[in-house]
Amino acid sequence: AQSVTQPDIHITVSEGASLELRCNYSYGATPYLFWYVQSPGQGLQLLLKYFSGDTLVQGIKGFEAEFKRSQSSFNLRKPSVHWSDAAEYFCAVGAGTASKLTFGTGTRLQVTL
Amino acid sequence: EPEVTQTPSHQVTQMGQEVILRCVPISNHLYFYWYRQILGQKVEFLVSFYNNEISEKSEIFDDQFSVERPDGSNFTLKIRSTKLEDSAMYFCASSERRSAETQYFGPGTRLLVL
Repeated sequence: AQSVTQPDIHITVSEGASLELRCNYSYGATPYLFWYVQSPGQGLQLLLKYFSGDTLVQGIKGFEAEFKRSQSSFNLRKPSVHWSDAAEYFCAVGAGTASKLTFGTGTRLQVTL
Repeated sequence: EPEVTQTPSHQVTQMGQEVILRCVPISNHLYFYWYRQILGQKVEFLVSFYNNEISEKSEIFDDQFSVERPDGSNFTLKIRSTKLEDSAMYFCASSERRSAETQYFGPGTRLLVL
């Protein structure tokens, strides 16, 4: 069965600082990997996804993520955080086309000015 | 940009009552999903739906739950007799044929069972 671990429940960074949110997955084959963001009172917005090919993927809002098969990781990064990035971030893994997504527990990002 | 919509945004109900949560998926999407998120916990898959039938369901999705696509635009989740533990945020999602791996989520319905 697939699973996702987000080891950091809560992270606080200063505006302008770099950010890395960790995600480790467990899946027997090549996974479909996603990062979603949830702002307070909002739904889940897709930031980026990885299916195959280049292991460094670019997403919206200046985010990127790197797939590392050897470490079973798909960490999310941003070089310079903005106050509007404060939200909850979810990593998810899918098994294939139209299959269910398995989510991590989320990382809540707080940005200090 | 097209988006998934859900109604109502909030619903309060008494234990034992039936509730219907409504979703309008993105118009050219063919795959539909329901997830839920109990407060403070992770988002959990409930059910997927394609071609007017359930494709996959989780252990959570027992006989108290049902889904339906009553017309060409709506996708509903019915809970027949709500329990306290059904209190959660319920998310609808949809995906298109071409890139069915990518699911787009609605804003959610927060259900509170008293």
